[in-house]
Amino acid sequence: AQSVSQHNHHVILSEAASLELGCNYSYGGTVNLFWYVQYPGQHLQLLLKYFSGDPLVKGIKGFEAEFIKSKFSFNLRKPSVQWSDTAEYFCAVNAIQAGTALIFGKGTTLSVSS
Amino acid sequence: DTAVSQTPKYLVTQMGNDKSIKCEQNLGHDTMYWYKQDSKKFLKIMFSYNNKELIINETVPNRFSPKSPDKAHLNLHINSLELGDSAVYFCASSLLAGGSGEQFFGPGTRLTVL
Repeated sequence: AQSVSQHNHHVILSEAASLELGCNYSYGGTVNLFWYVQYPGQHLQLLLKYFSGDPLVKGIKGFEAEFIKSKFSFNLRKPSVQWSDTAEYFCAVNAIQAGTALIFGKGTTLSVSS
Repeated sequence: DTAVSQTPKYLVTQMGNDKSIKCEQNLGHDTMYWYKQDSKKFLKIMFSYNNKELIINETVPNRFSPKSPDKAHLNLHINSLELGDSAVYFCASSLLAGGSGEQFFGPGTRLTVL
């Protein structure tokens, strides 16, 4: 069965610090990978996604993620965080087969202090 | 324009009651989903429908029954509510089945069972 691990449960940063959130998945086949963000009191929004091609993908709001197939990882990065990045971040994976839903990691809470 | 909408946004009810949550998407997607987000923010798939047909039915008590009158709507009916049903329920939709495409999420319904 697929699973997704997010290593950091709660990350606390000051504004302008760099961010890296870890995400590893377990599935040997082809996958689609996603990072979603949930701002306080709001619904999930897509930050970025990887389907194929360049393993370094850029998303909204200055976020990027790198897919490293050999490490089964899809880490999220941002060079300089802002207070408005305070949110819950979810990594999600889908195996390329019919009838398989997104499997989410348990989320990482990011708190950015100004 | 709201892409995925849910009603109600908040639902407070007594144990043992029956309640429904409605979801509608105006994106023209064929596939819709229900997710449950527990108090620890963990998101888990419950059901998925593709063109009104159930394609994913995770290990969910049979007190939960999804209904899709047409491909733009996926409602969730819950019988005999229990305290453990308290959570935020998110509806989502995607163009492609099986979660292989981006999923668009609704604003969530916060269910509190007293």
